[in-house]
Amino acid sequence: GQQLNQSPQSMFIQEGEDVSMNCTSSSIFNTWLWYKQDPGEGPVLLIALYKAGELTSNGRLTAQFGITRKDSFLNISASIPSDVGIYFCAGQLIQGAQKLVFGQGTRLTINP
Amino acid sequence: NAGVTQTPKFQVLKTGQSMTLQCAQDMNHNSMYWYRQDPGMGLRLIYYSASEGTTDKGEVPNGYNVSRLNKREFSLRLESAAPSQTSVYFCASSGGPLYSPLHFGNGTRLTVT
Repeated sequence: GQQLNQSPQSMFIQEGEDVSMNCTSSSIFNTWLWYKQDPGEGPVLLIALYKAGELTSNGRLTAQFGITRKDSFLNISASIPSDVGIYFCAGQLIQGAQKLVFGQGTRLTINP
Repeated sequence: NAGVTQTPKFQVLKTGQSMTLQCAQDMNHNSMYWYRQDPGMGLRLIYYSASEGTTDKGEVPNGYNVSRLNKREFSLRLESAAPSQTSVYFCASSGGPLYSPLHFGNGTRLTVT
């Protein structure tokens, strides 16, 4: 099946630091999505990207749809304790049954 | 609004037992989905229902059956549970085109011994 490679798998940072994570694929996507999962809850959509090169912000979060359509990046500025959780990228294929493929997740831990 | 509600939150089964995971959404969404989440594997689609009356297999359908009871409810059944089905199960729904941003429930943590 389709694969998304999300990195890093985990991050341990100090409060106030900036965070960067990314997803890459061997397939072209027409949509990239970023979700966050808090402990004990389901994933919640953070940012949706629909156009190659698109750069979109949601508060301290910024995500970009790569020009090649095969990658996406998520940055979090000035991290705070509530940013703790697992971040998932998801790509929607440009062909076929429009399946949505999820990355393995990046677990973010913040030391106060 | 409750959004997507899953029951139960936790369940322990013995190998060979059966059970049904329930999911209901109150957002009038057309599409509903069942995913499983395993460590290091992300979310994998088990089954989905694009609209009331239709269901289709996802990436990992073996060992599962689903029923789209009505527009609100989409259940997942394990007929004969196996340890490999130990996982966290998420139901989701979406209102627009298939896979348009998904709204997830809070999950069911299932352990099969």
